[in-house]
Amino acid sequence: GNSVTQMEGPVTLSEEAFLTINCTYTATGYPSLFWYVQYPGEGLQLLLKATKADDKGSNKGFEATYRKETTSFHLEKGSVQVSDSAVYFCAFQGAQKLVFGQGTRLTINP
Amino acid sequence: NAGVTQTPKFQVLKTGQSMTLQCAQDMNHEYMSWYRQDPGMGLRLIHYSVGAGITDQGEVPNGYNVSRSTTEDFPLRLLSAAPSQTSVYFCASSYSGGRSSYNEQFFGPGTRLTVL
Repeated sequence: GNSVTQMEGPVTLSEEAFLTINCTYTATGYPSLFWYVQYPGEGLQLLLKATKADDKGSNKGFEATYRKETTSFHLEKGSVQVSDSAVYFCAFQGAQKLVFGQGTRLTINP
Repeated sequence: NAGVTQTPKFQVLKTGQSMTLQCAQDMNHEYMSWYRQDPGMGLRLIHYSVGAGITDQGEVPNGYNVSRSTTEDFPLRLLSAAPSQTSVYFCASSYSGGRSSYNEQFFGPGTRLTVL
């Protein structure tokens, strides 16, 4: 069935380190793909999106590329900051429904 | 624009009690949904609505009821609370335009519910 598999956390990095959070999906067709971020005590916010194969979504220094051949949408950032500490969710859009991964908690130490 | 609002922020119930979680949006979105967030399980869809008067079940609907009498409001009712319903509940809304493949969802701040 439809599902999203994310890299297990928690992930702890030092400031200015390179970040990758892996995400793969199983879905019918070619759904839109999303990364949502949840800061402590808040709801989810859309971080970036890609709506078709080879699209690259980007925002706040984060990037992810829609890879149809590997059904992946890995999140990357070249130099993380303490303020990036949050929980990150990969998701895809089915028929009016979002299917989420389990979330990856990221902590950045100064 | 207040966006998506949820009340209350926190709630403690005893087993068997009933309550309603409120959700409202002021963006004139047709689509609204309820998710629950549990550790290690991401967000799971409880119920959703594609417009006033129309609701449908999501992945984990048991123990919850919803109704959609207006575009703005989408309350979630727990009829007889159980400890398994201890969770954080998020309401979300989106525009249901012609391109159903992409509808960014906007989330409320969540309600943290504990059932003793």
